[in-house]
Order: sequence, then C-alpha cells, then structure tokens
Amino acid sequence: NAGVTQTPKFRVLKTGQSMTLLCAQDMNHEYMYWYRQDPGMGLRLIHYSVGEGTTAKGEVPDGYNVSRLKKQNFLLGLESAAPSQTSVYFCASSYRVQPQHFGDGTRLSIL
Amino acid sequence: GENVEQHPSTLSVQEGDSAVIKCTYSDSASNYFPWYKQELGKGPQLIIDIRSNVGEKKDQRIAVTLNKTAKHFSLHITETQPEDSAVYFCAARDPTGYSTLTFGKGTMLLVSP
Repeated sequence: NAGVTQTPKFRVLKTGQSMTLLCAQDMNHEYMYWYRQDPGMGLRLIHYSVGEGTTAKGEVPDGYNVSRLKKQNFLLGLESAAPSQTSVYFCASSYRVQPQHFGDGTRLSIL
Repeated sequence: GENVEQHPSTLSVQEGDSAVIKCTYSDSASNYFPWYKQELGKGPQLIIDIRSNVGEKKDQRIAVTLNKTAKHFSLHITETQPEDSAVYFCAARDPTGYSTLTFGKGTMLLVSP
C-alpha cells in the first residue's frame, strides 16, 4: 500500500517553461488536494477535488491548473512557470473533507 | 477569512519534559482543528484533531485542548522523546467551504536526549 505518491520529487525549471506534477493515491479516496509550502508561510491550498471529474480553486490558484480525470490521480499544471512558484508542493487525499494523507512533496525551483 | 496564529515558532525541550504549542484562530464559526507533524523531508502527518463540540482529546502521549470562548487550542506532548522532534502545524477549518483548512506557520520542536 503506497498511500500518496508524488512525481517527480525534484525539478528545476526555467521561467516560462511548463510542467505537470502528478499525484496518485491507492486508497480510493474521493477528496484530493494540492498545497504549496513556503518558508514561514505554512501550507496554502492551491486547488482541490471532491471527486473524479471535479476541481475547485483554493486560496492561491493563480498560475496553476488541475485535472482529475481518474479518481486515483490529481494533476497540477504550471503553464508558464514564474520564480514566485518556487516552492515545495504537497498532494493530499482523504475520504472525508479534511486532508489526512500527504505525499512526501515535490521540490520545485524556477530560475 | 480565517487567520491562525501559532506560537512559539521554535521550542527546545529535554527528553522526558512536556511540550505545549498554542494556536489562536479568528473565525468563531470554525469547527474543526487538526494538528499535523512534519518530519524533515516528509509530508505532514495528521496526528490528532478535535471538533468544536469537544473540549479535550487524548491519544497516548499527545492531547489537544480547545477553548472556544477564547478561540484558542493547544497541543500537549508529555514525556517527549527525540523522535518527537519535527515541525508541528495547527489548522482551523473554515466552515464556509470544502476542506479550506487555514494553517498556522508551524513550530519546530527539538527534543534533546
């Protein structure tokens, strides 16, 4: 049982490049979330999903898009990366409204 | 929106001592308060939570207390061990939306042997 798996674990991008972060969970959870964590800022919600085919904006959605085509996967996209998006990104899932299981994060640097 | 303040930002204790981390929240309608532990290089792990209809909850060496009148809640760790060293985050749930937890900025707990 892998829980929540995030790929990649590390990535360096140049400003303007695009990329997709993948989150996969094997617990059959309905709810999935994407957070970013910055020094001294705690965790901030980017987007979330309450089920397959649904997505919604969180606290800091600008510059990101998401998709939930399959229940087990939640993708986070950066269309045109900016240095302000340098952060550690965490995916989480749960069977109830509040996030319970987090992945180990993707460390993203944008130069 | 909700605002969560967490104190202290760092806390150093000796093994066997107790540790207390405090959080205050601004929205009196908030009704769910989880605590997460984050070890270095790992994602947060939910360790305990409390709902607004309960004043205290315990799970072995950890406990959480909630004072709705004062709008603050605290994490208590007794008989601390080196493996308790981590960053701890509190959060409060904004009842107006799905899963819109507002997190505190974290407390780095260091337990020295």
